[in-house]
Amino acid sequence: GESVGLHLPTLSVQEGDNSIINCAYSNSASDYFIWYKQESGKGPQFIIDIRSNMDKRQGQRVTVLLNKTVKHLSLQIAATQPGDSAVYFCAALPSGTYKYIFGTGTRLKVLA
Amino acid sequence: ETGVTQTPRHLVMGMTNKKSLKCEQHLGHNAMYWYKQSAKKPLELMFVYSLEERVENNSVPSRFSPECPNSSHLFLHLHTLQPEDSALYLCASSYRYNEQFFGPGTRLTVL
Repeated sequence: GESVGLHLPTLSVQEGDNSIINCAYSNSASDYFIWYKQESGKGPQFIIDIRSNMDKRQGQRVTVLLNKTVKHLSLQIAATQPGDSAVYFCAALPSGTYKYIFGTGTRLKVLA
Repeated sequence: ETGVTQTPRHLVMGMTNKKSLKCEQHLGHNAMYWYKQSAKKPLELMFVYSLEERVENNSVPSRFSPECPNSSHLFLHLHTLQPEDSALYLCASSYRYNEQFFGPGTRLTVL
């Protein structure tokens, strides 16, 4: 069946370093992708999105890279801060549906 | 605040109780969703309503019953739940096939 997988359940980085969180998806019909951040006790919060007609998109301190050839998505966070500590997960949306497929999440721990 | 509100935030119920979760969005979106979030599992899509019509139901047990009276409100009616139904229930909304905005969730515990 369709799936979205994250490569690491936990990622620890030093404050000030860059973080990279990876995601793989299986459905080649997916044409819209979102990265979410979820802090304890809160709902998922939108970080950045990208459509399949792009390879890269940048936001404030975050960059999403999309490699459609290998069905891989990554989130890069520059100069990681303690406030970035959370669970991050990606979502893929197949074209013409409302059925988002979510990954399990990577817990990012920022070390002081 | 994302513009999506959920009540109650916490709910404890027995297996014979009947309760309802409520979601409201103030974003002018035309699709609303219910998700179940369990520990170490991906978000599970339960129901989608688009333009007030249910368009997806991922084989959710009949003890969960959704209701969408208009494009701004979504309910999840619960009855005779099981302990394994304990989870965080998230509501989301979107404008067509675009970014979903999530509410804070209802933490449900079934005793």
